[in-house]
Amino acid sequence: GNSVTQMEGPVTLSEEAFLTINCTYTATGYPSLFWYVQYPGEGLQLLLKATKADDKGSNKGFEATYRKETTSFHLEKGSVQVSDSAVYFCALPLNRDDKIIFGKGTRLHILP
Amino acid sequence: GAVVSQHPSRVICKSGTSVKIECRSLDFQATTMFWYRQFPKQSLMLMATSNEGSKATYEQGVEKDKFLINHASLTLSTLTVTSAHPEDSSFYICSAPTGTDYEQYFGPGTRLTVT
Repeated sequence: GNSVTQMEGPVTLSEEAFLTINCTYTATGYPSLFWYVQYPGEGLQLLLKATKADDKGSNKGFEATYRKETTSFHLEKGSVQVSDSAVYFCALPLNRDDKIIFGKGTRLHILP
Repeated sequence: GAVVSQHPSRVICKSGTSVKIECRSLDFQATTMFWYRQFPKQSLMLMATSNEGSKATYEQGVEKDKFLINHASLTLSTLTVTSAHPEDSSFYICSAPTGTDYEQYFGPGTRLTVT
Protein backbone atom coordinates (compact mmCIF):
# COMPACT_ATOMS: atom_id res chain seq x y z
CA GLY A 1 0.00 0.00 0.00
CA ASN A 2 0.89 3.66 -0.04
CA SER A 3 2.97 4.96 2.82
CA VAL A 4 5.42 7.65 3.84
CA THR A 5 8.30 7.20 6.25
CA GLN A 6 10.25 10.16 7.56
CA MET A 7 12.97 10.46 10.13
CA GLU A 8 11.78 10.91 13.65
CA GLY A 9 12.73 13.92 15.63
CA PRO A 10 13.16 16.04 17.38
CA VAL A 11 16.04 17.46 15.42
CA THR A 12 18.02 20.19 17.17
CA LEU A 13 20.49 22.30 15.22
CA SER A 14 22.33 25.54 15.69
CA GLU A 15 21.52 28.50 13.49
CA GLU A 16 23.22 28.39 10.08
CA ALA A 17 23.67 24.61 10.23
CA PHE A 18 22.83 22.35 7.28
CA LEU A 19 19.54 20.52 7.52
CA THR A 20 18.42 17.20 6.07
CA ILE A 21 15.14 15.52 6.92
CA ASN A 22 14.82 12.15 5.25
CA CYS A 23 11.61 10.97 3.62
CA THR A 24 10.95 7.79 1.68
CA TYR A 25 7.71 6.62 0.18
CA THR A 26 5.93 3.56 -1.11
CA ALA A 27 3.35 4.09 -3.80
CA THR A 28 1.84 2.69 -6.91
CA GLY A 29 2.43 4.78 -9.98
CA TYR A 30 4.17 8.10 -9.90
CA PRO A 31 2.55 10.35 -7.34
CA SER A 32 3.24 13.96 -6.55
CA LEU A 33 5.15 14.54 -3.32
CA PHE A 34 4.83 17.37 -0.86
CA TRP A 35 6.48 18.84 2.20
CA TYR A 36 4.20 20.68 4.58
CA VAL A 37 5.31 22.83 7.52
CA GLN A 38 3.40 23.49 10.73
CA TYR A 39 4.47 26.40 12.90
CA PRO A 40 3.51 26.30 16.59
CA GLY A 41 -0.22 26.61 17.13
CA GLU A 42 -1.03 26.81 13.44
CA GLY A 43 -2.35 24.64 10.65
CA LEU A 44 -0.27 23.20 7.84
CA GLN A 45 1.23 25.19 5.02
CA LEU A 46 2.52 23.76 1.80
CA LEU A 47 6.29 24.30 1.80
CA LEU A 48 7.21 22.77 -1.55
CA LYS A 49 6.19 20.09 -3.97
CA ALA A 50 7.38 17.98 -6.88
CA THR A 51 5.06 16.42 -9.41
CA LYS A 52 7.32 14.01 -11.27
CA ALA A 53 10.61 12.16 -11.01
CA ASP A 54 13.75 14.32 -10.90
CA ASP A 55 11.71 17.42 -10.19
CA LYS A 56 13.17 19.69 -7.51
CA GLY A 57 10.78 21.64 -5.34
CA SER A 58 12.10 24.71 -3.60
CA ASN A 59 10.82 27.47 -1.35
CA LYS A 60 12.23 29.70 1.41
CA GLY A 61 15.69 28.18 0.96
CA PHE A 62 14.38 24.63 1.34
CA GLU A 63 14.79 22.08 -1.43
CA ALA A 64 13.70 18.51 -2.09
CA THR A 65 14.33 16.34 -5.15
CA TYR A 66 11.92 13.62 -6.23
CA ARG A 67 14.13 10.54 -6.65
CA LYS A 68 12.26 7.64 -8.20
CA GLU A 69 15.23 5.25 -8.03
CA THR A 70 15.49 5.57 -4.27
CA THR A 71 11.82 6.46 -3.69
CA SER A 72 12.93 9.44 -1.65
CA PHE A 73 12.08 13.10 -1.24
CA HIS A 74 14.55 14.37 1.35
CA LEU A 75 14.18 17.94 2.59
CA GLU A 76 17.33 20.08 2.75
CA LYS A 77 18.32 23.60 3.66
CA GLY A 78 21.82 24.94 3.57
CA SER A 79 21.60 27.38 6.47
CA VAL A 80 18.73 27.16 8.92
CA GLN A 81 17.33 30.03 10.95
CA VAL A 82 15.58 30.15 14.31
CA SER A 83 12.37 30.98 12.45
CA ASP A 84 12.54 27.57 10.73
CA SER A 85 11.66 25.89 14.03
CA ALA A 86 8.48 23.96 13.25
CA VAL A 87 7.17 20.49 12.47
CA TYR A 88 7.76 19.24 8.93
CA PHE A 89 5.56 16.65 7.25
CA CYS A 90 6.39 14.67 4.14
CA ALA A 91 3.19 13.87 2.28
CA LEU A 92 1.89 11.73 -0.55
CA PRO A 93 -1.44 12.60 -2.17
CA LEU A 94 -3.28 9.52 -3.34
CA ASN A 95 -5.25 11.13 -6.12
CA ARG A 96 -6.60 14.51 -7.07
CA ASP A 97 -9.29 15.48 -4.55
CA ASP A 98 -8.41 12.46 -2.42
CA LYS A 99 -6.82 12.16 0.97
CA ILE A 100 -3.15 12.69 1.65
CA ILE A 101 -0.87 10.19 3.35
CA PHE A 102 1.35 11.99 5.86
CA GLY A 103 4.58 10.98 7.48
CA LYS A 104 4.69 11.19 11.25
CA GLY A 105 6.29 14.60 11.21
CA THR A 106 9.71 15.79 12.27
CA ARG A 107 9.98 18.49 14.91
CA LEU A 108 12.85 20.87 14.24
CA HIS A 109 14.41 23.12 16.89
CA ILE A 110 16.91 25.74 15.80
CA LEU A 111 19.03 27.25 18.54
CA PRO A 112 20.34 30.81 18.21
CA GLY B 1 -4.01 32.04 -3.12
CA ALA B 2 -6.73 29.70 -1.96
CA VAL B 3 -7.65 30.03 1.69
CA VAL B 4 -9.42 27.74 4.08
CA SER B 5 -10.74 29.18 7.32
CA GLN B 6 -11.86 27.54 10.51
CA HIS B 7 -14.07 28.86 13.25
CA PRO B 8 -13.62 29.04 16.12
CA SER B 9 -9.86 29.00 16.52
CA ARG B 10 -10.18 28.04 20.17
CA VAL B 11 -13.08 26.72 22.18
CA ILE B 12 -13.47 25.56 25.75
CA CYS B 13 -16.54 23.59 26.67
CA LYS B 14 -17.83 21.53 29.54
CA SER B 15 -18.16 17.77 29.50
CA GLY B 16 -21.41 16.61 28.02
CA THR B 17 -21.96 19.58 25.76
CA SER B 18 -21.63 19.65 21.96
CA VAL B 19 -19.30 21.82 19.97
CA LYS B 20 -19.50 22.76 16.30
CA ILE B 21 -16.42 23.60 14.25
CA GLU B 22 -16.77 25.21 10.83
CA CYS B 23 -14.45 24.83 7.87
CA ARG B 24 -14.88 27.17 4.91
CA SER B 25 -13.18 27.42 1.58
CA LEU B 26 -13.03 31.16 0.96
CA ASP B 27 -12.31 31.59 -2.73
CA PHE B 28 -12.90 28.20 -4.26
CA GLN B 29 -15.48 25.44 -4.15
CA ALA B 30 -14.77 22.13 -2.48
CA THR B 31 -17.00 19.12 -3.00
CA THR B 32 -14.71 17.25 -0.66
CA MET B 33 -13.12 18.32 2.59
CA PHE B 34 -11.11 16.37 5.09
CA TRP B 35 -11.10 16.48 8.89
CA TYR B 36 -7.98 15.64 10.88
CA ARG B 37 -7.22 15.36 14.53
CA GLN B 38 -3.79 16.07 15.93
CA PHE B 39 -2.63 15.09 19.40
CA PRO B 40 0.22 17.02 21.02
CA LYS B 41 3.52 16.43 19.27
CA GLN B 42 1.98 13.85 16.97
CA SER B 43 1.07 13.55 13.36
CA LEU B 44 -2.30 14.20 11.83
CA MET B 45 -4.90 11.48 12.03
CA LEU B 46 -7.48 11.55 9.26
CA MET B 47 -10.91 11.29 10.85
CA ALA B 48 -13.26 11.51 7.91
CA THR B 49 -13.89 12.71 4.40
CA SER B 50 -16.70 15.21 4.10
CA ASN B 51 -18.69 14.96 0.86
CA GLU B 52 -20.96 17.75 -0.31
CA GLY B 53 -24.52 16.51 -0.60
CA SER B 54 -23.86 13.04 0.74
CA LYS B 55 -22.74 11.23 3.86
CA ALA B 56 -19.27 11.58 5.20
CA THR B 57 -16.83 8.71 4.94
CA TYR B 58 -15.28 7.88 8.29
CA GLU B 59 -11.92 6.26 8.91
CA GLN B 60 -11.77 3.06 10.85
CA GLY B 61 -12.13 3.58 14.56
CA VAL B 62 -13.77 7.00 14.34
CA GLU B 63 -17.22 7.11 15.91
CA LYS B 64 -19.77 8.48 13.46
CA ASP B 65 -22.27 9.39 16.16
CA LYS B 66 -19.61 11.15 18.17
CA PHE B 67 -18.17 13.24 15.38
CA LEU B 68 -20.99 14.45 13.17
CA ILE B 69 -19.98 15.89 9.83
CA ASN B 70 -22.21 17.92 7.57
CA HIS B 71 -21.16 19.31 4.19
CA ALA B 72 -24.12 21.50 3.39
CA SER B 73 -22.62 23.61 0.62
CA LEU B 74 -19.65 23.72 -1.72
CA THR B 75 -17.77 26.02 0.66
CA LEU B 76 -18.73 24.81 4.12
CA SER B 77 -18.21 21.66 6.15
CA THR B 78 -18.97 21.38 9.84
CA LEU B 79 -17.69 18.97 12.47
CA THR B 80 -19.79 18.62 15.60
CA VAL B 81 -18.27 16.90 18.59
CA THR B 82 -21.26 15.56 20.48
CA SER B 83 -21.36 14.93 24.22
CA ALA B 84 -17.77 16.04 24.50
CA HIS B 85 -15.43 14.52 27.06
CA PRO B 86 -11.94 15.57 28.17
CA GLU B 87 -10.39 12.91 25.93
CA ASP B 88 -11.87 14.74 22.93
CA SER B 89 -9.60 17.66 23.68
CA SER B 90 -7.36 18.04 20.69
CA PHE B 91 -6.37 20.20 17.72
CA TYR B 92 -8.79 19.71 14.82
CA ILE B 93 -7.72 20.67 11.30
CA CYS B 94 -9.66 20.63 8.07
CA SER B 95 -8.39 20.67 4.51
CA ALA B 96 -9.82 21.04 1.05
CA PRO B 97 -8.34 20.01 -2.29
CA THR B 98 -8.04 22.78 -4.83
CA GLY B 99 -8.32 20.45 -7.80
CA THR B 100 -4.91 21.41 -9.16
CA ASP B 101 -1.67 19.48 -8.79
CA TYR B 102 -3.14 17.30 -6.05
CA GLU B 103 -2.74 20.19 -3.62
CA GLN B 104 -4.81 20.73 -0.55
CA TYR B 105 -5.13 23.81 1.56
CA PHE B 106 -5.36 23.49 5.29
CA GLY B 107 -7.31 25.51 7.77
CA PRO B 108 -5.50 27.12 10.72
CA GLY B 109 -6.94 24.56 13.12
CA THR B 110 -9.29 24.65 16.10
CA ARG B 111 -8.04 23.98 19.61
CA LEU B 112 -10.77 22.21 21.57
CA THR B 113 -10.48 21.91 25.32
CA VAL B 114 -13.12 19.97 27.21
CA THR B 115 -13.21 20.57 30.95
